[in-house]
Amino acid sequence: QAGLTQPPSVSKDLRQTATLTCTGNSNNVGDQGAAWLQQHQGHPPKLLSYRNNNRPSGISERFSASRSGNTASLTITGLQPEDDADYYCSAWDSSLGAWVFGGGTKLTVL
Amino acid sequence: EVQLVESGGDLVQPGGSLRLSCAASGFTLSGYWMHWVRQVPGKGLVWVSGISADGSTTVYADSVKGRFTISRDNAKDTLYLQMNSLRGEDAAVYYCVREAGSFDFWGQGALVTVSS
Repeated sequence: QAGLTQPPSVSKDLRQTATLTCTGNSNNVGDQGAAWLQQHQGHPPKLLSYRNNNRPSGISERFSASRSGNTASLTITGLQPEDDADYYCSAWDSSLGAWVFGGGTKLTVL
Repeated sequence: EVQLVESGGDLVQPGGSLRLSCAASGFTLSGYWMHWVRQVPGKGLVWVSGISADGSTTVYADSVKGRFTISRDNAKDTLYLQMNSLRGEDAAVYYCVREAGSFDFWGQGALVTVSS
């Protein structure tokens, strides 16, 4: 089953802003949007954002999501050392009848 | 506090079977779709299977269709994944995940190793 496309890696300096992208099609991201997950090594993923820009309770306002067409974006402002992690997007694909994930982006905070 | 605790991960030979369980607490299991997502250590997340809140609807990734069966016992607050005809490529950490429009809570994962 086809997945979503994310850049494998992004590097940014401390306190800078990072924007991660996730590209799908009209059956997944372009239909109902994407959710974003953060995963630190050795830990399960944690939901950061759902339905494009809704944050669960306890998630910092430094994380904001958006969508333009078939591409979803996650913007992290004021990068902190703890933001150094893997980030995944996910969406329901109405054509496949399956959930799909992006391959993940490794964000390195320098 | 929402908790999902997987168990049943083990070393199994190719062609063998294994059943994973996921004990849910801190919320009413019967109100949510539930899923299994797997991850080879160091690799990305892969959705495996999902089941509706009442258990009447199940969905599977093509890679496991016909070999894996997802089920649930809402009275026991437990989700299951029966895995048959296991292959080397099924080896991964298997996460139990709650869905509320998106995957909002994840268990710690159960490690499945497939090797002779």
